[in-house]
Amino acid sequence: GAVVSQHPSWVICKSGTSVKIECRSLDFQATTMFWYRQFPKQSLMLMATSNEGSKATYEQGVEKDKFLINHASLTLSTLTVTSAHPEDSSFYICSAARGGIIGNTIYFGEGSWLTVV
Amino acid sequence: AQSVSQHNHHVILSEAASLELGCNYSYGGTVNLFWYVQYPGQHLQLLLKYFSGDPLVKGIKGFEAEFIKSKFSFNLRKPSVQWSDTAEYFCAPNTNAGKSTFGDGTTLTVKP
Repeated sequence: GAVVSQHPSWVICKSGTSVKIECRSLDFQATTMFWYRQFPKQSLMLMATSNEGSKATYEQGVEKDKFLINHASLTLSTLTVTSAHPEDSSFYICSAARGGIIGNTIYFGEGSWLTVV
Repeated sequence: AQSVSQHNHHVILSEAASLELGCNYSYGGTVNLFWYVQYPGQHLQLLLKYFSGDPLVKGIKGFEAEFIKSKFSFNLRKPSVQWSDTAEYFCAPNTNAGKSTFGDGTTLTVKP
């Protein structure tokens, strides 16, 4: 069964509004989670590293004020797309390492499809 | 910086044909190597992984991959594909920092 869960799976929002996507590790604690984005017909690109209890680390070119990441607990990281625009429409997916990030399997969530209209 | 290259963008095979998908990575440090599969409309699933030890690793559904350190390669193989193997396949090296770098993916279409 799934060990990393995302919610919602699908979301449609109006341009200019904000939308939150949750990523949960179901039966393990994850001090570090990762957020990726996949545009149609493209590969997954790392957006940011979510660190429990501290600020997220963003990859180059990713706007931290637009993509707010909160890792408030050891089992939950949230990604909030603020002031969404149609070009933010994408597939967002998170991952977490069971047992820590050293030498352990990375599990991915089911992903969240965001459509901004 | 870490990068990964998947040589085949779209592969079309008939059932029972053998499959080999290429993956080369560049990274100076220790990497863990993963292959993921994404079936149409579904989320990523782990096919197999390599951390250390035997460079030939076996995964689910009859897939295997061989790590060749000298060539920085981790090619995916399956002796006989099935129609149900039609999917997108991603090679993803992962550093000890936990970050995965994904290749562009290879679309496999298996004709019945």
